[in-house]
Amino acid sequence: GAGVSQSPSNKVTEKGKDVELRCDPISGHTALYWYRQRLGQGLEFLIYFQGNSAPDKSGLPSDRFSAERTGESVSTLTIQRTQQEDSAVYLCASSLVLDTQYFGPGTRLTVL
Amino acid sequence: LAKTTQPISMDSYEGQEVNITCSHNNIATNDYITWYQQFPSQGPRFIIQGYKTKVTNEVASLFIPADRKSSTLSLPRVSLSDTAVYYCLVGDINQGGKLIFGQGTELSVKP
Repeated sequence: GAGVSQSPSNKVTEKGKDVELRCDPISGHTALYWYRQRLGQGLEFLIYFQGNSAPDKSGLPSDRFSAERTGESVSTLTIQRTQQEDSAVYLCASSLVLDTQYFGPGTRLTVL
Repeated sequence: LAKTTQPISMDSYEGQEVNITCSHNNIATNDYITWYQQFPSQGPRFIIQGYKTKVTNEVASLFIPADRKSSTLSLPRVSLSDTAVYYCLVGDINQGGKLIFGQGTELSVKP
């Protein structure tokens, strides 16, 4: 079956613009995660959705970052007024209850 | 969530066995230990998971001592294609809770 997909694969934007990143999880996966990975760095947790529970937003770096998820399907990560330090690969993962996370290919964001 | 500590980098040669150790001194009773592998420009991929003693699959072995305060990922006879970053994670999978990735270990396999 299909894995986790993300779009766009690459996004170049100007400082100050808003961007939306999309994640389509594996069908049936109740948990969905967003991570940020800067060049040469490890993964930085951003936000976690689990079923109908309130999302865990503890990793969001600022109020410019927000994310939504429609039921147990697609999720959108929005970054408002982008800054150059937002440049990174944004990875989405989904999982069933047992926590083996399946990752998408990521969206490479470049803020000029 | 239990914090993990791994070496930042390791070097090896083709055909050698590689052992990467992860420390997790405050692991909880219900926590499992999971390892992921990440190749450049790709998302991480699940390798192996265990609770105690030894687990083996077609890719690797995971050794967990009785006190569970550390774990060792063993990769037999590595090849150049095993060059990647390896992450150790600890979390309670029975709660379906989130896992937090640390900095990982960058393994470089040389010919």
